[in-house]
Amino acid sequence: SQTIHQWPATLVQPVGSPLSLECTVEGTSNPNLYWYRQAAGRGLQLLFYSVGIGQISSEVPQNLSASRPQDRQFILSSKKLLLSDSGFYLCAWSQVIGASNQPQHFGDGTRLSIL
Amino acid sequence: ILNVEQSPQSLHVQEGDSTNFTCSFPSSNFYALHWYRWETAKSPEALFVMTLNGDEKKKGRISATLNTKEGYSYLYIKGSQPEDSATYLCASSNAGNNRKLIWGLGTSLAVNP
Repeated sequence: SQTIHQWPATLVQPVGSPLSLECTVEGTSNPNLYWYRQAAGRGLQLLFYSVGIGQISSEVPQNLSASRPQDRQFILSSKKLLLSDSGFYLCAWSQVIGASNQPQHFGDGTRLSIL
Repeated sequence: ILNVEQSPQSLHVQEGDSTNFTCSFPSSNFYALHWYRWETAKSPEALFVMTLNGDEKKKGRISATLNTKEGYSYLYIKGSQPEDSATYLCASSNAGNNRKLIWGLGTSLAVNP
């Protein structure tokens, strides 16, 4: 069966510090991968999605970047965090075939607090 | 409608009550409609994905319907139980970018025993 691992679960970082959140998927090949953020009082916002190694689509201009160095690894990064980067970050995967008529499967999330 | 809108924002029901929520989405160029359940301290869990007008799907006591012409979906819970307490999210996609889901803010359901 497929599993998704996301870490760390919580993170407290000072403004201006770098960020690296990692997500890995097991039990499937060539999945679509997604990074979402939920800011306080807001809905889920798609940040990045990837359809393959090295292929990243960015949905909103921001202080963050994403990379997919391996088929089942998706990394969210920042060189300098801003206060506005605080929020709850979720990684998700879905089957490639059919794209968005396949359900997305989510990791447990990372609660990021910027001080 | 340009965004996905859900109503009500929150709902409190008694155990055994049946309830339903609404999700409104852009009907133009529609591709798929998703429902998820998000329990506190857990990750969102997929309930249904629907694509065809008139689709009805059922999972235990939970069911959903889809009207793509008018852009709405209903989620029904029959005989609510305390374990149904969660936020129910819907999300839609369009054929222009069918990998991107647009999410509603959710309906928060609390079932009192």
